[in-house]
Amino acid sequence: DTGVSQNPRHKITKRGQNVTFRCDPISEHNRLYWYRQTLGQGPEFLTYFQNEAQLEKSRLLSDRFSAERPKGSFSTLEIQRTEQGDSAMYLCASSPEYGYTFGSGTRLTVV
Amino acid sequence: AQSVTQLDSHVSVSEGTPVLLRCNYSSSYSPSLFWYVQHPNKGLQLLLKYTSAATLVKGINGFEAEFKKSETSFHLTKPSAHMSDAAEYFCVVSNGGATNKLIFGTGTLLAVQP
Repeated sequence: DTGVSQNPRHKITKRGQNVTFRCDPISEHNRLYWYRQTLGQGPEFLTYFQNEAQLEKSRLLSDRFSAERPKGSFSTLEIQRTEQGDSAMYLCASSPEYGYTFGSGTRLTVV
Repeated sequence: AQSVTQLDSHVSVSEGTPVLLRCNYSSSYSPSLFWYVQHPNKGLQLLLKYTSAATLVKGINGFEAEFKKSETSFHLTKPSAHMSDAAEYFCVVSNGGATNKLIFGTGTLLAVQP
């Protein structure tokens, strides 16, 4: 499979717990993006990597959120001390210089 | 700043009839515009894109969109709806620049009745 892979597909966690999501982009794509999609809304930009460098972060990405892309390959998105408002679909996308390929997303439910 | 407004949150059509999903954009320069489709439990799929070439853009599955600068519109159409077209559709503008991040509309849920 040469698409963008995200794991897990679904995550249910209790409020206050930490969660980590993983994204495996298309191998030759140097750009990687994270978006968040809440119910009834379009996806919103969270952060952008070019290779291993995190070049832009949205104001939506509070201090409880951290993203990494070690060695410019896979990426992880961690949410600490989850809140109910964090419940959403978290989408990863990768891109060469132009054009996106999205993964199927990780759906987070905070109870 | 760039933005898009999708004028209908829900559209319902009968199978075999035309589809029209409306989108207006706001941009301070010539925009790159896209339509994406999202089927339940599946990733976002690119239907078509406009990048300042031809104003009538043809996409996959028989969809097309026309860029009208005078109306700041980028409506999505299909001559004949199929049951498999039922999904959520997003109009999207790119912010351009080094990041090339996408700014999504709120989506239009298309229902296709038999």
